[in-house]
Amino acid sequence: QVQLQESGPGLVKPSQTLSLTCTVSGGSINSGSYYWSWIRQPAGKGLEWIGRIYTSGSTNNNPSLNSRVTISVDTSKNQFSLKLSSVTAADTAMYYCARGTTVTKDDAFDIWGQGTMVTVSS
Amino acid sequence: DIQMTQSPSSLSASVGDRVTITCQASQDISNYLNWYQQKPGKAPKLLIYDASDLETGVPSRFSGSGSGTDFTFTISSLQPEDIATYYCQQYDNVPYTFGQGTKLEIK
Repeated sequence: QVQLQESGPGLVKPSQTLSLTCTVSGGSINSGSYYWSWIRQPAGKGLEWIGRIYTSGSTNNNPSLNSRVTISVDTSKNQFSLKLSSVTAADTAMYYCARGTTVTKDDAFDIWGQGTMVTVSS
Repeated sequence: DIQMTQSPSSLSASVGDRVTITCQASQDISNYLNWYQQKPGKAPKLLIYDASDLETGVPSRFSGSGSGTDFTFTISSLQPEDIATYYCQQYDNVPYTFGQGTKLEIK
């Protein structure tokens, strides 16, 4: 079955760019009717949707982060990535990648990665 | 952005109890609502989609209802393994938004 795995540095310095990659295994990222999202969760807090990308390259980002967020996809590697620029301590969180599906549902995150903790600190 | 407000924020119940969580949207979202379960240290898991449809493999004691702005999530008979935080999520409009979560504990 399809699985997602986040990877990237666990520590990022303030003002630098956070870069994470999500590797999709057990299936093709290029399958129709799916999109690929990033969601984050500060420790002890709720979930925040960061944005999504379709394999066409079309993206939607959360306006609260919009100017700092870049989501890209590499179908040849079955991966999609997140870049968040100018990070501050407020960006410290668990970062999840997730698959969005509209196959048998209107729209839902049906598969999640295990998450990767990113701390912003000097 | 559409605001999602869950209540209560935390809940303590006994095994076998019927548990109900509500989620209110700041505007009409039709049935564009999902429910997720998150156990400590784990990623969220989809339980209910389209407000009332049970995800494959999810026990039938979980259910959802509602449309418009008011939604309900119910566990018909609480089991020890249901200890988790539950989140609603709307997908009517981007940015997708989640409720603040309801932490469920066993009495």
